[in-house]
Amino acid sequence: AQSVTQLDSQVPVFEEAPVELRCNYSSSVSVYLFWYVQYPNQGLQLLLKYLSGSTLVESINGFEAEFNKSQTSFHLRKPSVHISDTAEYFCAVRSGAGGTSYGKLTFGQGTILTVHP
Amino acid sequence: GAGVSQTPSNKVTEKGKYVELRCDPISGHTALYWYRQSLGQGPEFLIYFQGTGAADDSGLPNDRFFAVRPEGSVSTLKIQRTERGDSAVYLCASSLNSGLPINEQFFGPGTRLTVL
Repeated sequence: AQSVTQLDSQVPVFEEAPVELRCNYSSSVSVYLFWYVQYPNQGLQLLLKYLSGSTLVESINGFEAEFNKSQTSFHLRKPSVHISDTAEYFCAVRSGAGGTSYGKLTFGQGTILTVHP
Repeated sequence: GAGVSQTPSNKVTEKGKYVELRCDPISGHTALYWYRQSLGQGPEFLIYFQGTGAADDSGLPNDRFFAVRPEGSVSTLKIQRTERGDSAVYLCASSLNSGLPINEQFFGPGTRLTVL
């Protein structure tokens, strides 16, 4: 079984400031890691994912996340945020092992990022 | 093309009633997932289908919950004898298939269920 902990329920920042949203996971098997974003009044959208290869992955809108196996973390960062980044962000894991649980995602509790002008 | 659609968008029912929630996946997607999101929480897995069969139903909370996907496309989540604790947003997602993690799960807008 896997679990995901997002350490901050809310993160307020000013526009153009850097931000880090923290995510730690627990799993007895290898995992794939994801960040999803939910903008106000919209559905969940995939932001970025780590499947294999380089531990640093990037999104098209400037976010990046680094898979750290030793610390079981997958923190999300952006060097300079915009008002439009205001949303709720969810970290999720998926089992890398086979079996019937292969397809499901396990989500964290979410972090609400609010960017102030 | 069209994304995942869910109907109704909102459902208000009384305690003890039966409800059905519908999910139309993206055309051609063989894997379909149901999640439940309670207020202030992340989505919680309920069940997923690969084709017509339920590949993993370990997240269904009890036998009041049941889901079907008879033709491998549209799915219906059925809740019997609803309780106030069932109030949540029910999310549906689909992907090309469940076997490859590279296949993104695309989420629908959800059905907000309120049990009075």
